[in-house]
Amino acid sequence: ETGVTQSPTHLIKTRGQQVTLRCSSQSGHNTVSWYQQALGQGPQFIFQYYREEENGRGNFPPRFSGLQFPNYSSELNVNALELDDSALYLCASSLVEGNEQFFGPGTRLTVL
Amino acid sequence: AQRVTQPEKLLSVFKGAPVELKCNYSYSGSPELFWYVQYSRQRLQLLLRHISRESIKGFTADLNKGETSFHLKKPFAQEEDSAMYYCALSAINYGQNFVFGPGTRLSVLP
Repeated sequence: ETGVTQSPTHLIKTRGQQVTLRCSSQSGHNTVSWYQQALGQGPQFIFQYYREEENGRGNFPPRFSGLQFPNYSSELNVNALELDDSALYLCASSLVEGNEQFFGPGTRLTVL
Repeated sequence: AQRVTQPEKLLSVFKGAPVELKCNYSYSGSPELFWYVQYSRQRLQLLLRHISRESIKGFTADLNKGETSFHLKKPFAQEEDSAMYYCALSAINYGQNFVFGPGTRLSVLP
């Protein structure tokens, strides 16, 4: 059984650019959630995908979008990057919504 | 709106002393509460959830609906307990998944 993996580990972008972050869920998990964790804060829920459909969304603007693929892997896309988007982005997978979530190591995004 | 608060950013205790990490929440439904822990250079992982009523690594937490609290306790702290602790609430009915608190850094001194 493999755990949740995320890529890339870290990246640097400039304001206005677009970024795609990737997540492979733990084997057998059909639900993926994305979180943004700013420095010194707890993770903030961005959205969740269940069977390729968005299944809940936090207070993030539409320029944050996502996808889930038939193999349950997922992408987080952020358009028109802003300086405040600099954060650690965490992906978590679970068997069903609300169940124990297994977190990946995160992708550190720096926007200059 | 659902909210989780952890009043202490940093809590320092000596090895062998009791420890209590505070967590309060606001939620109008029946919440599911969790404690997650992040040890140095490791990923976030589940420590315990209230519905399982387990004791993990000597930690326990009781859901008090009257006080809307879910404090984490351990009678005798160990140095390996030093980590970042996050309280979280599952708010599925409101189209939102987990709501995390800001976290408390526990430092257990020798």
